[in-house]
Amino acid sequence: NAGVMQNPRHLVRRRGQEARLRCSPMKGHSHVYWYRQLPEEGLKFMVYLQKENIIDESGMPKERFSAEFPKEGPSILRIQQVVRGDSAAYFCASSQDRDHNYGYTFGSGTRLTVV
Amino acid sequence: AQTVTQSQPEMSVQEAETVTLSCTYDTSESNYYLFWYKQPPSRQMILVIRQEAYKQQNATENRFSVNFQKAAKSFSLKISDSQLGDTAMYFCAFMKRASGTYKYIFGTGTRLKVLA
Repeated sequence: NAGVMQNPRHLVRRRGQEARLRCSPMKGHSHVYWYRQLPEEGLKFMVYLQKENIIDESGMPKERFSAEFPKEGPSILRIQQVVRGDSAAYFCASSQDRDHNYGYTFGSGTRLTVV
Repeated sequence: AQTVTQSQPEMSVQEAETVTLSCTYDTSESNYYLFWYKQPPSRQMILVIRQEAYKQQNATENRFSVNFQKAAKSFSLKISDSQLGDTAMYFCAFMKRASGTYKYIFGTGTRLKVLA
């Protein structure tokens, strides 16, 4: 039973390029959460998705960032026209249902470096 | 707005000794959950321990225990018999229901180094 899988583990992009981060939730999980960890900080909530729906994107920047969780395939966090300030570790977590207060299972994150 | 404060950026402890990591939080909620997560250099977020706010009994998981003081809004983590593998960043987190799901608010972390 594989955990939450994120790829790539490391991603380097030049300023202005696009970054696509992938997250495959645990088997049977239909709820996905994205968090961002800036250097020397804790994780901060970005977006919560269910299959084919964005439920809460209150933590996501209004411009350049988008997320999806299609019926088939992984969840994708897309960052267009990346800037140096986007450099961070991006974590995905999943749960079986929305009333999951036992703690999510996190992936190992994708470290994005913008040069 | 809820906040979580970890006032110790770095700590060290000798192997086999006991160490306590501090965490305070601010909320007006009465029903919430508190967690400690461990993040080793591999970057994996590992759940260490969980506490439900409505339970007075402090949670315990093997060598890890918490001191939960609800009135003081304090949630410290005690690690007994420290091991080299405990070296990691430790994050305190507050979780409550908002906008249809449960979301975390994390502190800035405490870097713990266990010395041989």
